[in-house]
Amino acid sequence: EIVLTQSPGTLSLSPGERATLSCRASQSVRSSSLAWYQQKPGQAPRLLMYGASTRATGIPDRFSGSGSGTDFILTISRLEPEDFAVYYCQQYDFRPLTFGGGTRVEIK
Amino acid sequence: QVQLQESGPGLVKPSQTLSLTCTVSGGSISSGDYFWSWIRQPPGKGLEWIGYIYYSGSAYYGPSLKSRVSISVDTSRNQFSLNLYSVTAADTAVYYCAREVNVPVGNGDAFDIWGQGTMVTVSS
Repeated sequence: EIVLTQSPGTLSLSPGERATLSCRASQSVRSSSLAWYQQKPGQAPRLLMYGASTRATGIPDRFSGSGSGTDFILTISRLEPEDFAVYYCQQYDFRPLTFGGGTRVEIK
Repeated sequence: QVQLQESGPGLVKPSQTLSLTCTVSGGSISSGDYFWSWIRQPPGKGLEWIGYIYYSGSAYYGPSLKSRVSISVDTSRNQFSLNLYSVTAADTAVYYCAREVNVPVGNGDAFDIWGQGTMVTVSS
């Protein structure tokens, strides 16, 4: 099973700042088979990104993803108030599909 | 617009069976283009994929719950269901059903549509 480790656990930032979230895999994730999700309190996760860097439908371009192999990054260029949430990475290279433990982006 | 909705008891006693149903609306579960999954999230914790089912009835389970779980499909009702046997307090979680879609980049599936989730508490 591929274990995904996200860091930091919590990111305290102000609106307008840049957020950089990390996701590290315990083994190489082939073909950038990595997705990112956003979850707000009381809501289901929402697909943000797949293929490490491809935005899902309707996702604004302030969200970008990068990385390959074992190290992946989600960047939010300028935080909007609605971006404060928990973010999860997920690998879909091997079954079982696994998620990282999440990074909370909170208002400083 | 495809929507998923979970239903089932919010309280289950220890050692009993947790049973949930996910109703798919706005599209057919038999389209063959998707897997239909269950995912859970204990309070304040992360996400755990439980397993999926295909419209044909083929199922695949994650290793952590494989010995206690079954997922079935009812295409006539456009529903799929989760049974988790011999539950304990550790099974207390929000349970989500979700659609797995084969995304155009990479080797497999991401979850593009989710139900709102249903909280299940295991307690006597």
